[in-house]
Amino acid sequence: DAKTTQPPSMDCAEGRAANLPCNHSTISGNEYVYWYRQIHSQGPQYIIHGLKNNETNEMASLIITEDRKSSTLILPHATLRDTAVYYCIVIQTGANNLFFGTGTRLTVIP
Amino acid sequence: EPEVTQTPSHQVTQMGQEVILRCVPISNHLYFYWYRQILGQKVEFLVSFYNNEISEKSEIFDDQFSVERPDGSNFTLKIRSTKLEDSAMYFCASKGGMTAGGYTFGSGTRLTVV
Repeated sequence: DAKTTQPPSMDCAEGRAANLPCNHSTISGNEYVYWYRQIHSQGPQYIIHGLKNNETNEMASLIITEDRKSSTLILPHATLRDTAVYYCIVIQTGANNLFFGTGTRLTVIP
Repeated sequence: EPEVTQTPSHQVTQMGQEVILRCVPISNHLYFYWYRQILGQKVEFLVSFYNNEISEKSEIFDDQFSVERPDGSNFTLKIRSTKLEDSAMYFCASKGGMTAGGYTFGSGTRLTVV
């Protein structure tokens, strides 16, 4: 079951940073925060994940608050191809399945 | 970059017919999954498969559904007698190890039951 809360939709201007928030106030110590996105009915795509430290890869940065009750996915320079539904998912170490919520529909505007 | 391949990309079938959706997971992955997404709704877990057996299944995955890894490379989902409400995108996914969350999804099969 989804244990996260995300805004249903956001807009972002092309070239600007997109900051997507996620609340996971009931997260426990052995649970990771994962972000996936789904571009127009394609298969979900892994973006990034973290436990308690901030993380960065070629796609995005993940900022996790010190109490771990919320996080923000940052796309530093959004492009039109970043228009998608973004899912924040909390998963236990060793857990087998992903449970998707409704996510945030990000629209990048030219 | 390794991919999960699904075929066909679109399948239309008559109600009551059997369908088999095919997936080729990433070759060294050990865990395999099927998810579905009804148009406009959430991505829903159907079943997970490891070591040649089902490890977990959802309440959606009833007796009409079955999975198989017939030859060590393909992973199939069979729906024995399709219903109109089975119309959806079906996504296959695979994962290399026990690390939580490191899934690779295929591009999906759109199943339309008429």
